[in-house]
Amino acid sequence: DIQMTQSPSSLSASVGDRVTITCRASQGISNYLAWYQQKPGKVPKLLIYAASTLQSGVPSRFSGSGSGTDFTLTISSLQPEDVATYYCQKYNSAPYTFGQGTKVEIK
Amino acid sequence: EVQLVESGGGLVQPGRSLRLSCTASGFTFGDYAMSWVRQAPGKGLEWVGFIRSKAYGGTTEYAASVKGRFTISRDDSKSIAYLQMNSLKTEDTAVYYCTRPIAVAGNDYWGQGTLVTVSS
Repeated sequence: DIQMTQSPSSLSASVGDRVTITCRASQGISNYLAWYQQKPGKVPKLLIYAASTLQSGVPSRFSGSGSGTDFTLTISSLQPEDVATYYCQKYNSAPYTFGQGTKVEIK
Repeated sequence: EVQLVESGGGLVQPGRSLRLSCTASGFTFGDYAMSWVRQAPGKGLEWVGFIRSKAYGGTTEYAASVKGRFTISRDDSKSIAYLQMNSLKTEDTAVYYCTRPIAVAGNDYWGQGTLVTVSS
């Protein structure tokens, strides 16, 4: 099975900083990669699908890139409401594995 | 408005069974696959499995950790997806989310989740 590895596991950044989270697949998955945001105590929310397509209603400071095995989620200007854990997920074929998550905090 | 509502969670002893339900509304249920994702307390998301729509055979896929113990089914006439969990283990303790997976877009809608606690 394909493994999904996120880095870092956690990060702390200042408001307004550019934040980058990476997700690496152990084998190529084309662009079948989604990113989710889960705020503390809340249900996960789809942010980006097809590696780079922003879900409707998601702020434009979020962006995604990559294809094959290496993917990136970028927050261009970190806001206090972005405090959350972010997960990537592959969905090219079963099992639809999630990454282990990246916890983002405000410094 | 799309809504997914899980029910059936609770406290169950190891080795016993439990069935979760996911009642959907706001979309043509039979046209979509349905999926289950779980999250153990303080841990990350774990994909459990999904069931395809009848148009794609209604077949199922499962994570290795639950294969042979869990079964996903659907009743399109009632817009309900089920997760039958047998031979439960303490490590199955988690919040179980019902999701709507889109083949090209990941899981676009999630239910609020239902907590399953496996303990003696």
